[in-house]
Amino acid sequence: DVKVTQSSRYLVKRTGEKVFLECVQDMDHENMFWYRQDPGLGLRLIYFSYDVKMKEKGDIPEGYSVSREKKERFSLILESASTNQTSMYLCASSTSPQGVHEQYFGPGTRLTVT
Amino acid sequence: GQNIDQPTEMTATEGAIVQINCTYQTSGFNGLFWYQQHAGEAPTFLSYNVLDGLEEKGRFSSFLSRSKGYSYLLLKELQMKDSASYLCAVRDLSNDYKLSFGAGTTVTVRA
Repeated sequence: DVKVTQSSRYLVKRTGEKVFLECVQDMDHENMFWYRQDPGLGLRLIYFSYDVKMKEKGDIPEGYSVSREKKERFSLILESASTNQTSMYLCASSTSPQGVHEQYFGPGTRLTVT
Repeated sequence: GQNIDQPTEMTATEGAIVQINCTYQTSGFNGLFWYQQHAGEAPTFLSYNVLDGLEEKGRFSSFLSRSKGYSYLLLKELQMKDSASYLCAVRDLSNDYKLSFGAGTTVTVRA
C-alpha cells in the first residue's frame, strides 16, 4: 500500500516562529503536494513539486515555502507563523499526471498558531 | 481556475440511496475525481471520470456529463460507515498536476 506520512498530527506554535512540516512517501512518486484544509473552503493547494528540487506555486503560496531535496520527502515551511495559518495541512503524492493517477494523502497535521 | 460547487450537507437513512452533485466550470477539463474523507482522517480516492457516462464500483457510482459541467456520486445501500465528507476535484488541461477541490459534502447516515 502507498503510504504518505507526516511528521506530526498536532502542532502548536507561537506567532512569528518558523515552522517545518515534513512529509514522506514510500512509493517513489514523482509528484508531491501541500494543501491546507479549512471549513467551508475545501482543500487549497499551497505548493507542489513534480521532481526533486523542482517546485511550483499553487493557489495560496503567500507566507509559505517548500523544499524537496530528496524524491521521497517534501517539506512545507512557514517562515514566520501567523494566526491565519492555523489550519489542517495535508500532504499528498502521485505518479505521472496522465491517466487516473490519483493523489494519495497523508493523515494531516493540525497546526494551531497562537 | 475552476469553480466547483457541491452541497454542504446531506442526511440519509441507513439502507437508502444518496446522490451528491458536483458542478464545475473549467476551460480545459481533464478528469474529475471523488474522494471520501472520514472525520480526522486523510481523503481516500473513490472514483475517476474523464469520459461521459457512469462508472460503477460496488455500492458507489460516479457519473459525468462534460457538456453540462456536471458530475454526481451515487451511494447505494447506505451504511453507517459511509458517514463522511465527499470531495469533488477537477483536473485541468492547463496543469495536469493540479487538482482543484470543491468544499466537500458532509453526508450523515442515520439508523
